[in-house]
Amino acid sequence: DAGITQSPRHKVTETGTPVTLRCHQTENHRYMYWYRQDPGHGLRLIHYSYGVKDTDKGEVSDGYSVSRSKTEDFLLTLESATSSQTSVYFCAITSDSLFKPSGNTIYFGEGSWLTVV
Amino acid sequence: GQQLNQSPQSMFIQEGEDVSMNCTSSSIFNTWLWYKQDPGEGPVLLIALYKAGELTSNGRLTAQFGITRKDSFLNISASIPSDVGIYFCAGQRKSGGSNYKLTFGKGTLLTVNP
Repeated sequence: DAGITQSPRHKVTETGTPVTLRCHQTENHRYMYWYRQDPGHGLRLIHYSYGVKDTDKGEVSDGYSVSRSKTEDFLLTLESATSSQTSVYFCAITSDSLFKPSGNTIYFGEGSWLTVV
Repeated sequence: GQQLNQSPQSMFIQEGEDVSMNCTSSSIFNTWLWYKQDPGEGPVLLIALYKAGELTSNGRLTAQFGITRKDSFLNISASIPSDVGIYFCAGQRKSGGSNYKLTFGKGTLLTVNP
């Protein structure tokens, strides 16, 4: 258990509305990530954070923004939700304590199911 | 983004059989990770591999980091019904500074017939 909590776990929203997903971690991990998972595409990185107020884009960042004002919380915002953003969203973490010379181990939350109608 | 070539896409086996799946890439990776995902849940880390040629076991699971750094395999011995799920490989390489980019395979769906 890597101490990751995602909320909400399930949400249905209307096209054009803003949506915020929250990832909360209890173990002071430095790196946090948001992925989306879709059939035929697997897991794709949206945004990631390498510290408080330090974030960067992943491969599918258009239409999404993130914020990290505290170590424990990483928020993903859909500024104006579209049907193409219907997906399962996963938060993930890693930390320097999990760092190996050739890479680091990444742990995932339980997912947030978002449906945009 | 680049995807790993993971095969097979799906497997349907009898309980007690051994299972093998693999991932290949045209690029070199520093780390290979294998995850299992149950329906409605997030991926759970099974095995992490950090060195070329490394062979690591976790119970009935064995995974190897290919010597060329471009491939990895996962074996499950004596499968049981709870092994059902989707198995993902992920390759990781340095993308600048202390950041590492993780690339996922599309998964292998395993069904075990009791």
